[in-house]
Amino acid sequence: QTVVTQEPSFSVSPGGTVTLTCGLSSGSVSTNHYPSWYQQTPGQAPRTVIYNTITRSSGVPARFSGSLLGNKAALTITGAQADDESNYYCMLFLGSGIWVFGGGTKLAVL
Amino acid sequence: QLQLKESGPGLVKPSETLSLTCSASGGPITSSSYYWGWIRQPPGKGLEWIGNIYHTGSTNYNPSLKSRVTLSADTSENQFSLKLTSVTAADTAIYFCGGWFGDLFIDFWGQGILVTVSS
Repeated sequence: QTVVTQEPSFSVSPGGTVTLTCGLSSGSVSTNHYPSWYQQTPGQAPRTVIYNTITRSSGVPARFSGSLLGNKAALTITGAQADDESNYYCMLFLGSGIWVFGGGTKLAVL
Repeated sequence: QLQLKESGPGLVKPSETLSLTCSASGGPITSSSYYWGWIRQPPGKGLEWIGNIYHTGSTNYNPSLKSRVTLSADTSENQFSLKLTSVTAADTAIYFCGGWFGDLFIDFWGQGILVTVSS
């Protein structure tokens, strides 16, 4: 069974840059996996941040960007702010109509 | 702006069937641009994709849940539904419905509904 991997936790200083990654237990992530990223604060529904690898969802600040980095999908926050402190989940399309979420990264801004 | 809202019982007994409905407003679920689906999140844990449905009735399910899950759509009521059979405590979670744009990413999320499995 394919597992989508994410760092369990990460921290960044206010104003700093952080890159979260999303990988596969076997193989490389490509654009054909249509990587998307979702931000979730406790008690709230997730919010779409990035879709189709690099496209920012409507209303998402420009400090969020998506990319492929090596064999993984990546979410980079440049100039992190306090309200970026959240859980971030990636989601990948594995083919045959199957979607899988990563385990999520808890991002602390401190 | 399309909005989604989940409804259904907040408490289900073990071995029974969990049934939830997602009502859409602000746009039709017959839109050719969207698939509709369900995601769940056990308390304190991560997100899990359950399955998707197109308004024509075409479905895709998480293989780990496929034997217990049925999705359906009622275009006349502009809503879609989830049934999960033979539930156990492990099915206790917040259940979100969502709209997948072009079956590529989740564009709209419902607010979520907590369902607890307990006798």
